[in-house]
Amino acid sequence: GAVVSQHPSRVICKSGTSVKIECRSLDFQATTMFWYRQFPKQSLMLMATSNEGSKATYEQGVEKDKFLINHASLTLSTLTVTSAHPEDSSFYICSAAQAGGELFFGEGSRLTVL
Amino acid sequence: GENVEQHPSTLSVQEGDSAVIKCTYSDSASNYFPWYKQELGKRPQLIIDIRSNVGEKKDQRIAVTLNKTAKHFSLHITETQPEDSAVYFCAAKGGGNKLTFGTGTQLKVEL
Repeated sequence: GAVVSQHPSRVICKSGTSVKIECRSLDFQATTMFWYRQFPKQSLMLMATSNEGSKATYEQGVEKDKFLINHASLTLSTLTVTSAHPEDSSFYICSAAQAGGELFFGEGSRLTVL
Repeated sequence: GENVEQHPSTLSVQEGDSAVIKCTYSDSASNYFPWYKQELGKRPQLIIDIRSNVGEKKDQRIAVTLNKTAKHFSLHITETQPEDSAVYFCAAKGGGNKLTFGTGTQLKVEL
């Protein structure tokens, strides 16, 4: 199947700093990528839809100025958590869709904000 | 938007027994229903999916059924094994490739 790679897998940062997470589709072009957040023992919640060459579409309740998304190429989307706080600690997962609809997930990035 | 409910939240079965997880969705326009298995700290893995033009699909020990009229779909795992223990999520996709996930079911297969 298609491969989606996410980096870093784990990151620890101090409160107030910014963290960037990358999501790459390795063997296909993805005009659309999705960013999810998953708190412990909870489901995946869609944060935003990343569109290549245009602005991301954010879900209700997600602060676009705090979670900056850039989708500058057909194989790369980035999520930057700005001014991170402990409550932002979570498992962030990206996904990308091939033509035909099946979504492939990245490995996930565990963010811990101290 | 789409709303997906999933039951039960936890399920414990004896090895060799069957496990059934049920989901309902709200958006009649949703047309793709995947099921994912997620182990602790790992990415969700697609285990089976079904499209709205099909009522049932089977892959070895795993089957999924879809009732479009009632807007519900179910995952059936037969002859469960300890390695089936994980969290299972259903999901529904409508327009724009957006997936809405159910709340998850923690399946525990006991020896």
